[in-house]
Amino acid sequence: AQSVTQLDSHVSVSEGTPVLLRCNYSSSYSPSLFWYVQHPNKGLQLLLKYTSAATLVKGINGFEAEFKKSETSFHLTKPSAHMSDAAEYFCVVSGQMDSSYKLIFGSGTRLLVRP
Amino acid sequence: DAGITQSPRHKVTETGTPVTLRCHQTENHRYMYWYRQDPGHGLRLIHYSYGVKDTDKGEVSDGYSVSRSKTEDFLLTLESATSSQTSVYFCAIKRERAGAFFGQGTRLTVV
Repeated sequence: AQSVTQLDSHVSVSEGTPVLLRCNYSSSYSPSLFWYVQHPNKGLQLLLKYTSAATLVKGINGFEAEFKKSETSFHLTKPSAHMSDAAEYFCVVSGQMDSSYKLIFGSGTRLLVRP
Repeated sequence: DAGITQSPRHKVTETGTPVTLRCHQTENHRYMYWYRQDPGHGLRLIHYSYGVKDTDKGEVSDGYSVSRSKTEDFLLTLESATSSQTSVYFCAIKRERAGAFFGQGTRLTVV
């Protein structure tokens, strides 16, 4: 069975300060992990993915995430927040051995960026 | 994403009526998914398909059925719509080694 927990429902940062969005996962198989972003009234956009290659994954718009198997975590970070980063972020797990490739979503973290 | 389109984008329907949402892809991918998005729940999987006529249930499948008679189309049907099915529905395709890509969503309101 797979599950994902996003530890914060809301995160508020000032523009120019670092962003940390936390995600823990549970998976019976070696997981694939993803972060998606959703801007208001928009669809979902893939930020980055981990599929058992490098543990530090770089994505679009300056975001990156580190896969830590010992901590079962996949936290999303960005060195300096921009106003345009304000959105909802979803951590997603999928089992590589699960042939359905079902994506299991966390409940989301809403990022607020203060001027 | 240009390779996947959902129709309609918005729909208001009455309780008890049947509703069908369409997902169309132009990229010939094997896996297609239907999710619903509700505040506080993220996206929850309704049904998915792993080929023509091959479908399976997700975690919130009650009250929904799907069909896939050709690779490019994946239909989601609410047999008898209820107010609890008011939601935003997203279709997704899985691109090899690239995760899932989502349509723009269908906002369904059941009154």
